[in-house]
Amino acid sequence: DIHMTQSPSTLSASVGDRVTITCRASQSINTWLAWYQQKPGKAPKLLIYKASSLQTGVPSRFSGSGSGTEFTLTINSLQPDDFATYYCQQCYSSVTFGQGTKVEIK
Amino acid sequence: QLQLRESGPGLVRPSETLSLTCSVFGDPTDSSSYYWAWIRQPPGKGLEWIGSVYFTGSTSYNPSLKSRVTISLDTSKNQFSLNLNSVTAADTAVYYCARSIFGIVETKESTTDFDYWGQGVLVTVSS
Repeated sequence: DIHMTQSPSTLSASVGDRVTITCRASQSINTWLAWYQQKPGKAPKLLIYKASSLQTGVPSRFSGSGSGTEFTLTINSLQPDDFATYYCQQCYSSVTFGQGTKVEIK
Repeated sequence: QLQLRESGPGLVRPSETLSLTCSVFGDPTDSSSYYWAWIRQPPGKGLEWIGSVYFTGSTSYNPSLKSRVTISLDTSKNQFSLNLNSVTAADTAVYYCARSIFGIVETKESTTDFDYWGQGVLVTVSS
């Protein structure tokens, strides 16, 4: 199984901040990585696929990068609507998710 | 606009079978472009992929659940279903159905990312 590890688990930030979340895979997954945003009581929403491709309708302040085993999700100029939990997900071998990173208000 | 809607019992007894159906509106399930998937989330915890089904009936499952899971597709009804047998309290979760993009991953046909999700249904396993 490919294990996905996100860091940090919790991140405190202010509106306007630039935020970076890291996701590490236990083995190379090429660029088969997606990022999701989830708000309480709601289904996850796809933000980024193939490591760096922005899903249609997602604001351009979200961006993804990386390949192999290390990936990042960056949110430029954090907005009030961005406080949520973020998950990475690999599909290189089966499907596994990271444990999540909660972005909370500082 | 594509919509997915889960339905099924909210309470299942231990050792019995959890059965859920996902109805798909706005897109045919017999498309070669997508898989159809089940994902769950225990209360307060992270996401776990259960498995996916393709329009051909081909399935892929999470290895940790494979012995207990069956996912099937009924294209005539535009629905797909989940059966999880021998449930325990550890199977208590919000169960989501989702559409997954078909991809070729290292020469293999695969479920990839999940672009549309249902609202989720809480299933509690308890006597």
